[in-house]
Amino acid sequence: AQTVTQSQPEMSVQEAETVTLSCTYDTSESDYYLFWYKQPPSRQMILVIRQEAYKQQNATENRFSVNFQKAAKSFSLKISDSQLGDAAMYFCAYRSPYSGGGADGLTFGKGTHLIIQP
Amino acid sequence: DTAVSQTPKYLVTQMGNDKSIKCEQNLGHDTMYWYKQDSKKFLKIMFSYNNKELIINETVPNRFSPKSPDKAHLNLHINSLELGDSAVYFCASSQGPGGAYNSPLHFGNGTRLTVT
Repeated sequence: AQTVTQSQPEMSVQEAETVTLSCTYDTSESDYYLFWYKQPPSRQMILVIRQEAYKQQNATENRFSVNFQKAAKSFSLKISDSQLGDAAMYFCAYRSPYSGGGADGLTFGKGTHLIIQP
Repeated sequence: DTAVSQTPKYLVTQMGNDKSIKCEQNLGHDTMYWYKQDSKKFLKIMFSYNNKELIINETVPNRFSPKSPDKAHLNLHINSLELGDSAVYFCASSQGPGGAYNSPLHFGNGTRLTVT
């Protein structure tokens, strides 16, 4: 079974600064998908960004980008120009294409609580 | 329009009761899920269901049972509620199987269950 580790329970950053949230995972599979989700206090789970393991190019979505290091099994999220609205729990997640026809869903890390200091 | 909707948003009940949480998705997805988020915010999958196949996380007590009247609905029934069942329960859906495995899960807004 795959595991996802987020080693930073909490991070704090000044507004407008850049912050990087770390995520590592353990898998024996060569093909898989990685996601970052954001959960603000409203409790919604919002997709931030996704990365296919077979793609070497790091995914970017506006101020959000990832540093995907397949050999190191690392998938960090960089948030540039942090805004107050970025304050949330951030979850890293792994999805295997091989298990149960994709019916196993996502395996999540334990999350990182991001605080934005005004 | 809400893509994945679940009701109720809050549910307070007493130990020993039986309760249900409803979930509907209008995305045309093939697979639906139930996740439990505990007090430490950890999200753990409980079930996935794709019309023909139900996959159950082996750690889920058999007091929990998913019921799917059709492809767009996956309700969660909980019998003999216990204090430890207090959590936020999320419904989600995605494309697949055989479809796009890079398809993300779309989540409902969660149901906060409190057992007293």
